[in-house]
Amino acid sequence: DTAVSQTPKYLVTQMGNDKSIKCEQNLGHDTMYWYKQDSKKFLKIMFSYNNKELIINETVPNRFSPKSPDKAHLNLHINSLELGDSAVYFCASSYTNPGELFFGEGSRLTVL
Amino acid sequence: LAKTTQPISMDSYEGQEVNITCSHNNIATNDYITWYQQFPSQGPRFIIQGYKTKVTNEVASLFIPADRKSSTLSLPRVSLSDTAVYYCLVGDNYGQNFVFGPGTRLSVLP
Repeated sequence: DTAVSQTPKYLVTQMGNDKSIKCEQNLGHDTMYWYKQDSKKFLKIMFSYNNKELIINETVPNRFSPKSPDKAHLNLHINSLELGDSAVYFCASSYTNPGELFFGEGSRLTVL
Repeated sequence: LAKTTQPISMDSYEGQEVNITCSHNNIATNDYITWYQQFPSQGPRFIIQGYKTKVTNEVASLFIPADRKSSTLSLPRVSLSDTAVYYCLVGDNYGQNFVFGPGTRLSVLP
């Protein structure tokens, strides 16, 4: 059983398109996150979200929006994709006071 | 948020003990120190967490001096499969405050 699963694992698309990446966790955690890892391998938090609060990293363009149908899912929707959006996107989950983040396998997005 | 500084890369040989030190001079009273491991094409994986003194689990040990301005991750008898990037994080244990630095790329050689 995969604890945190993301789909798709690979995504190749054209500039200007809109795409979504889905994330699901079966750990019963109440907080989920999206991280972006760029070509230099820096992992930067984009969002954290639980039932009560969405916290957005202020450097994230508003073309990126998290959508959570329930506490086990946090999808990432990206509008008007740009070349600079190419990266690996990681979903993670934890308890509110985590001690430990559980990451998915990542979704590699390539924008052409 | 406390900033961390780690060596960019380290090399070791199989069977050796590896110590990776992380500096975090402005660590706050409520901050914990957490280490993650990341293999290529995978998400980071939790290794160990501590607040002060020494913590040991089945994978590693974490040494934290009294002033908590640095910490050392110790990997006993590394194998080739320990080749990965190791991240030191300092934060108050709320996920939003976990900031990953560039990490230390450990290469274990035969």
